[in-house]
Amino acid sequence: NAGVTQTPKFRILKIGQSMTLQCTQDMNHNYMYWYRQDPGMGLKLIYYSVGAGITDKGEVPNGYNVSRSTTEDFPLRLELAAPSQTSVYFCASSYSQGLSLGYTFGSGTRLTVV
Amino acid sequence: ILNVEQSPQSLHVQEGDSTNFTCSFPSSNFYALHWYRWETAKSPEALFVMTLNGDEKKKGRISATLNTKEGYSYLYIKGSQPEDSATYLCAFLQGAQKLVFGQGTRLTINP
Repeated sequence: NAGVTQTPKFRILKIGQSMTLQCTQDMNHNYMYWYRQDPGMGLKLIYYSVGAGITDKGEVPNGYNVSRSTTEDFPLRLELAAPSQTSVYFCASSYSQGLSLGYTFGSGTRLTVV
Repeated sequence: ILNVEQSPQSLHVQEGDSTNFTCSFPSSNFYALHWYRWETAKSPEALFVMTLNGDEKKKGRISATLNTKEGYSYLYIKGSQPEDSATYLCAFLQGAQKLVFGQGTRLTINP
């Protein structure tokens, strides 16, 4: 049981480049989330999904896009990378909305935009 | 977006001592309060999910209490050990769909 798997673990992008951060879970969780962690700021929600085909914006969605074509996968797309997107990105999933069990987090992707 | 505040931001505790820290959250529209333990270079791991006012949860030497009417939760660690060194996050379930995280309390246990 792998849990939540994120790839890549590290990436350096040049300004204006695009990339997709991959996230997959094998726990059959309906709910999936993307957070970014900035120093001293805690975790900020970028996008979330309550099921396949359904996505919604979180607190800091600008510059990102997501899709949820399957229950397992929730990729995060950066179209035109900017230095402000330098951060550590965490994908998470949960069985329910979080009323009984906590979220399961991936190991994170450290992204640097130069 | 509602604010979740944690205090203190950092804490140094002598091994063997007990400690506690606070999470403050909006008292209205409450659904759940989560606590996570986050070790350096790892990902956050869920400790507790609390939903009822007056709830108290315990896992080994770690326990948590919840007051939804006044909007705070305490996390207690009894007899701190070096392996307790981590950042402890609390998170408020907003609108029953998404967690809003506090900035965390970084705990360091001095041997």
